Amino acid sequence: GAVVSQHPSRVICKSGTSVKIECRSLDFQATTMFWYRQFPKQSLMLMATSNEGSKATYEQGVEKDKFLINHASLTLSTLTVTSAHPEDSSFYICSASTYTGELFFGEGSRLTVL
Amino acid sequence: AQSVTQPDIHITVSEGASLELRCNYSYGATPYLFWYVQSPGQGLQLLLKYFSGDTLVQGIKGFEAEFKRSQSSFNLRKPSVHWSDAAEYFCAVANQAGTALIFGKGTTLSVSS
Repeated sequence: GAVVSQHPSRVICKSGTSVKIECRSLDFQATTMFWYRQFPKQSLMLMATSNEGSKATYEQGVEKDKFLINHASLTLSTLTVTSAHPEDSSFYICSASTYTGELFFGEGSRLTVL
Repeated sequence: AQSVTQPDIHITVSEGASLELRCNYSYGATPYLFWYVQSPGQGLQLLLKYFSGDTLVQGIKGFEAEFKRSQSSFNLRKPSVHWSDAAEYFCAVANQAGTALIFGKGTTLSVSS
């Protein structure tokens, strides 16, 4: 089956720094990619939807200047958490949609901000 | 707006016993429905999905789910639970294929010996 790879799987950073998380579709072109956030023992909350070459669409309550999303190619989307703070610590998961509408999830990236 | 309700936060089942996890959705048209499983610290694994057709859907690992439009439900079932099934289970809905999923809050399954 199709594979979506996220990197890094775990990252620890100091408060105030920026962290970039990559989401790659390894064997297919993703028309759309989605970014979710999951707090411990909670559900996945959709943060934003991104289409290749266009600006991401953010869900209500998600700070677009805080969570920068770039979808530069049909196989790569990046999420940059800018000026990270401890409350940004979370599990971030991406998913990618194929032209036929199938959806595949990455393995997730755990961010810990000290 | 779409929403998904998983009424049971935590369920404990004896190994070998049957399992049913409940999921109710709110959506005007026929939704696209999914069940995912997540082990601690891991990503999501798709168990099964329903788009149209036969309302009883077979998935991986011996799971099945039944779409009941009249009850707006998509409950997940397994006839005999194994200890390895202990995990977090999420029901999700989308309004069409390839669009963002809206997830329920999840049900934690514990399996006792």
